[in-house]
Amino acid sequence: ILNVEQSPQSLHVQEGDSTNFTCSFPSSNFYALHWYRWETAKSPEALFVMTLNGDEKKKGRISATLNTKEGYSYLYIKGSQPEDSATYLCAFKEGNQGGKLIFGQGTELSVKP
Amino acid sequence: NAGVTQTPKFQVLKTGQSMTLQCAQDMNHEYMSWYRQDPGMGLRLIHYSVGAGITDQGEVPNGYNVSRSTTEDFPLRLLSAAPSQTSVYFCASRPISEPGANYGYTFGSGTRLTVV
Repeated sequence: ILNVEQSPQSLHVQEGDSTNFTCSFPSSNFYALHWYRWETAKSPEALFVMTLNGDEKKKGRISATLNTKEGYSYLYIKGSQPEDSATYLCAFKEGNQGGKLIFGQGTELSVKP
Repeated sequence: NAGVTQTPKFQVLKTGQSMTLQCAQDMNHEYMSWYRQDPGMGLRLIHYSVGAGITDQGEVPNGYNVSRSTTEDFPLRLLSAAPSQTSVYFCASRPISEPGANYGYTFGSGTRLTVV
């Protein structure tokens, strides 16, 4: 059974704070690591797909890094805004293009104005 | 482009009833999958398919059947519903072949199923 762990489970920050979450995944048989943003009452939306050790991706105030050798990825949000409030999911894809995508339990972020 | 369409959006079943959750995508994605979402459990993979005629089991396949006769459709069947299958079900798809292989999944809007 693949184990994808995210921490913390939830996070409450003030508007303007910067924050980061962690995703831990198996360091063997790695193919890709996905990050998704999931707002309440909506469907998950892809943020990043990362495939290479040392990858860094950025979209606006959100960025992510990847360490496949030690099996972790960080998601950073700079200057959090209330509209960043959502659950952030990471997902590990094993083996190959057709491999399973296994999700972590998510980090629920709440940003207070 | 409709993306990934799931029907129905809501359903209430009695224990022992059967039903099919529909999923269709119009993006010519090879890969399709079904997840269920339960409180505190995240998204758990039920079944997935890498193309027409090919399906495989995910983390929690028991009680569910799938088939993939076309690229567009990937229905999920509950043969004899149980209260433990009360959940929100999401269908998701993505291209397998490059350059789409690095794309994230596109999710449907979900089906909320209650089994009483």
